[in-house]
Amino acid sequence: NAGVTQTPKFRILKIGQSMTLQCAQDMNHNYMYWYRQDPGMGLKLIYYSVGAGITDKGEVPNGYNVSRSTTEDFPLRLELAAPSQTSVYFCASRIVTGELFFGEGSRLTVL
Amino acid sequence: DQQVKQNSPSLSVQEGRISILNCDYTNSMFDYFLWYKKYPAEGPTFLISISSIKDKNEDGRFTVFLNKSAKHLSLHIVPSQPGDSAVYFCAASGVHQGAQKLVFGQGTRLTINP
Repeated sequence: NAGVTQTPKFRILKIGQSMTLQCAQDMNHNYMYWYRQDPGMGLKLIYYSVGAGITDKGEVPNGYNVSRSTTEDFPLRLELAAPSQTSVYFCASRIVTGELFFGEGSRLTVL
Repeated sequence: DQQVKQNSPSLSVQEGRISILNCDYTNSMFDYFLWYKKYPAEGPTFLISISSIKDKNEDGRFTVFLNKSAKHLSLHIVPSQPGDSAVYFCAASGVHQGAQKLVFGQGTRLTINP
């Protein structure tokens, strides 16, 4: 039972490069989320999706884009990486209410 | 605007004693509250939750208390064990503009000393 799978686990980017963080869940959850965790700041919501084809901005969406073409996948795209995007990124999913299931995280460093 | 606050960044408790982690929220729209536990290099994992229609929920060593009038919830762990050392996040859920939102606090790092 894989749950929520994130790739890659670690990545170093140069300023201005772009990349995609992948997220897949096998629990048939409608809701999917991307959070970033900065030291002492808790989890900040970047984008979320309530179902395939539907996405919306969270608290800190600038510099990111998402898509949700299937129920299972919710990739997060960084177009022009900046040092401020150095963080640990967590993907999560759930049914409409209740507990959130998290992936193991992706640690991104932008130099 | 921090809607969910955990004002203690860290807490140190002796093994066997009670650990009490606190969380305050500001928005009355929240109707469901959760606690997550996070070990280093892992994603947060669900620990316990409580609906706003209740004031207490217990699961083994973990009990969550909700005081709606004070907009305050707390997590009690008793007895505390070394494996409880982790970062604990409080989260609040509610409908905002037609969608379920989940807002997290900043986290409290709990250290259980032998």
